[in-house]
Amino acid sequence: EIVLTQSPGTLSLSPGERATLSCRASQSISSSYLAWYQQKPGQAPRLLMYGSSSRATGISDRFTGSGSGAGFTLTISRLEPEDFAVYYCQQYGSSPYTFGQGTKLEIK
Amino acid sequence: QVQLQESGPGLVKPSETLSLTCIVSGDSLNSASSYWNWIRQPPGKGLEWIGYIQYSGNTNYNPSLKSRVTMSVDTSKNHFSLKLSSVTAADTAVYYCARRTAVFRHDRFDIWGQGTMVTVSS
Repeated sequence: EIVLTQSPGTLSLSPGERATLSCRASQSISSSYLAWYQQKPGQAPRLLMYGSSSRATGISDRFTGSGSGAGFTLTISRLEPEDFAVYYCQQYGSSPYTFGQGTKLEIK
Repeated sequence: QVQLQESGPGLVKPSETLSLTCIVSGDSLNSASSYWNWIRQPPGKGLEWIGYIQYSGNTNYNPSLKSRVTMSVDTSKNHFSLKLSSVTAADTAVYYCARRTAVFRHDRFDIWGQGTMVTVSS
């Protein structure tokens, strides 16, 4: 099973700042099967990025995904109030599919 | 507009079987490129993939739950189902159904249900 480790666990930033979230895999994975989700309280996860760097439909270009091998990054430029949430990475190239433990992005 | 909606009992007794259904609207289960998934999230915790089923009945389960999981699909009713046997309090979670669309260069879990909370308690 591929373990995904996200860092930091909590990120405290102010609106307008830039956020950098990391997702590290226990072994190399195909970037084609690496996704990022945003989840707000009481809501289902919302797909942000897939294939490591492709934005899902309707996602702002303030969100950028990058990486390859075992290291992936989600960058959010110019944080807006609605961006404060929990973010998860997921790999679905190797079964069982797995998620990272999440990064909570909170308002400083 | 594709939508998924989970349904089923919100309370299940320990040792019994949890049964949930995901109703698909706006899409057909009969798509070779679609994988119909179940994912769960215990209160205050992260996401765990349970498994998927395709319209053909092909399944893939998480080994951690495989001995207790059964998924099925009913193409005539356009829904798919999850059964989890011998439940304990550790199975208390929000259960989501989700569609994975496996299209070249656009392979993603693009549609999620709103989730349904299932509590295991006597």
